[in-house]
Amino acid sequence: TQLLEQSPQFLSIQEGENLTVYCNSSSVFSSLQWYRQEPGEGPVLLVTVVTGGEVKKLKRLTFQFGDARKDSSLHITAAQPGDTGLYLCAGESQGGSEKLVFGKGTKLTVNP
Amino acid sequence: DSGVTQTPKHLITATGQRVTLRCSPRSGDLSVYWYQQSLDQGLQFLIQYYNGEERAKGNILERFSAQQFPDLHSELNLSSLELGDSALYFCASSVGIRGKGETQYFGPGTRLLVL
Repeated sequence: TQLLEQSPQFLSIQEGENLTVYCNSSSVFSSLQWYRQEPGEGPVLLVTVVTGGEVKKLKRLTFQFGDARKDSSLHITAAQPGDTGLYLCAGESQGGSEKLVFGKGTKLTVNP
Repeated sequence: DSGVTQTPKHLITATGQRVTLRCSPRSGDLSVYWYQQSLDQGLQFLIQYYNGEERAKGNILERFSAQQFPDLHSELNLSSLELGDSALYFCASSVGIRGKGETQYFGPGTRLLVL
């Protein structure tokens, strides 16, 4: 069974601080996605990374896929209260399986 | 708004009962996915349908079943409900069969509470 471990589980910071959340696995994934979920809503896709070592930027968010395609990180610069939410990583396994494996998420709270 | 609709938004029922959750995918999307989200297990893939046919199965219990109709809407049937079935149930849709770069759009979810 493929597992994705996310850390930290909870993170509470002040507006303006930087943070990094991690998504780790012992399995190799063909691609990895990051989602943000707000209370009462479904997850919304932020980014998909496909190539080992790939770095993608989305405004203040920087996503990196590990060289071995087993791990990923999300770095947020100068966090804002609007960044508050549950951040989920999800991996697509190699071999053509159509199942997405999700981590349990990092619950981020950015205080004004 | 993702374009995926789910009804009902909230559902409260008793153990042993049966419920049906409904999902309408985004216009033009042929794939529908069902997920269960609980505090201890996180978001778990249950089942996928593509253009009316079952495509992939995840951790779906035998008490649960789903189908996708010719108009592409989908229903998830949960029977002999147990307390542990209380969770958020999400439907997602995508244009085709999952592959690299394929995006799943999630609905707002149905919150099920089994008492």
